[in-house]
Amino acid sequence: DQQVKQNSPSLSVQEGRISILNCDYTNSMFDYFLWYKKYPAEGPTFLISISSIKDKNEDGRFTVFLNKSAKHLSLHIVPSQPGDSAVYFCAAGLSGSARQLTFGSGTQLTVLP
Amino acid sequence: DTAVSQTPKYLVTQMGNDKSIKCEQNLGHDTMYWYKQDSKKFLKIMFSYNNKELIINETVPNRFSPKSPDKAHLNLHINSLELGDSAVYFCASSLRGNTDTQYFGPGTRLTVL
Repeated sequence: DQQVKQNSPSLSVQEGRISILNCDYTNSMFDYFLWYKKYPAEGPTFLISISSIKDKNEDGRFTVFLNKSAKHLSLHIVPSQPGDSAVYFCAAGLSGSARQLTFGSGTQLTVLP
Repeated sequence: DTAVSQTPKYLVTQMGNDKSIKCEQNLGHDTMYWYKQDSKKFLKIMFSYNNKELIINETVPNRFSPKSPDKAHLNLHINSLELGDSAVYFCASSLRGNTDTQYFGPGTRLTVL
């Protein structure tokens, strides 16, 4: 019973183009969402987050969109760079709860030069 | 100046053995976590400690016992290792928990033969 799903295990994009990574969740109680990036042999590193009171949050080349009615969020990377090649994890949590995050299974992004 | 460190990075051991993984954070955070990344790549919370007090204990076999000697350390001891325990284990920390960003260690790849 996976409450956070990333249905695309991999994505390849040409350098300079937009990368769109998707994430779906089933628990409507989740009220904040995060994206983490992970390189091989390293731990995940925080990338960007969004609270459920917003539908968009932007940080440089990274933008996260939240569609609460569809229980869907996406991460846009524009323009994509080869250094963005990594596994991207979507995570969801409940503020005010016991500090628990639920992670998706990750999407391997490959940016081709 | 590593923020969250784990030792060892790799651990290969025989079934039935007892082993420990150590985690230390120098960020001054109050909350620490252990996650397990299984073969399907999901990151699943195992335990969470806040100021040395256990606050999350997911349905993990009681062969797994976390120990927090102080708020900068959260070690994971595993008794009677089984083949299914093979996974990558990540330690993480956050300032307070809830919506605070979690910072991950590099992971420990445990292989049980």
